[in-house]
Amino acid sequence: QKEVEQDPGPLSVPEGAIVSLNCTYSNSAFQYFMWYRQYSRKGPELLMYTYSSGNKEDGRFTAQVDKSSKYISLFIRDSQPSDSATYLCAMSYNNNDMRFGAGTRLTVKP
Amino acid sequence: SQTIHQWPATLVQPVGSPLSLECTVEGTSNPNLYWYRQAAGRGLQLLFYSVGIGQISSEVPQNLSASRPQDRQFILSSKKLLLSDSGFYLCAWSGGVGGNQPQHFGDGTRLSIL
Repeated sequence: QKEVEQDPGPLSVPEGAIVSLNCTYSNSAFQYFMWYRQYSRKGPELLMYTYSSGNKEDGRFTAQVDKSSKYISLFIRDSQPSDSATYLCAMSYNNNDMRFGAGTRLTVKP
Repeated sequence: SQTIHQWPATLVQPVGSPLSLECTVEGTSNPNLYWYRQAAGRGLQLLFYSVGIGQISSEVPQNLSASRPQDRQFILSSKKLLLSDSGFYLCAWSGGVGGNQPQHFGDGTRLSIL
């Protein structure tokens, strides 16, 4: 079993839809949870950073962490074609030991 | 604000040739620095990390090495490239003080070995 599981997609939605991206993990020691957005031929860009369980909202993006279920989610409201990218989840328990999901490729169609 | 630079953006090298990829960070002091390799559909694999000048930790045995000659400079090297070294190489930094900090990435180098 991989330490972090993420459905690679691809996921295709119409413009304006609500997008739900998810990751599951097996290591209960993870305390910090991140979502990155990666455009083609670019490096990952940090979108959301949360500590422990709970919700965090930033504009159209909401990150949720459920440590009891070892499950994290990223919701994108009113999705736009510019949201088309690969989304990577990541988690860690210290600075130097981050684990990444394989990434979900999202396409938002106009 | 902090910025991270990687170069070159793309590189094509013959098998057996040497390699040097450079990464520099601006706008911060004493960052933690990281080299990753990203394979298609397989996420990011940590290769090396550094918490200070001359301090390098290797995560996987391989044909590559890393050095940190200055506080905000991180170099990935190889003496003789293999076909299996092809990939997308990413440099990242995080704050080195004050507990866990998220990592921030450069735009990567796409390396093709012929």
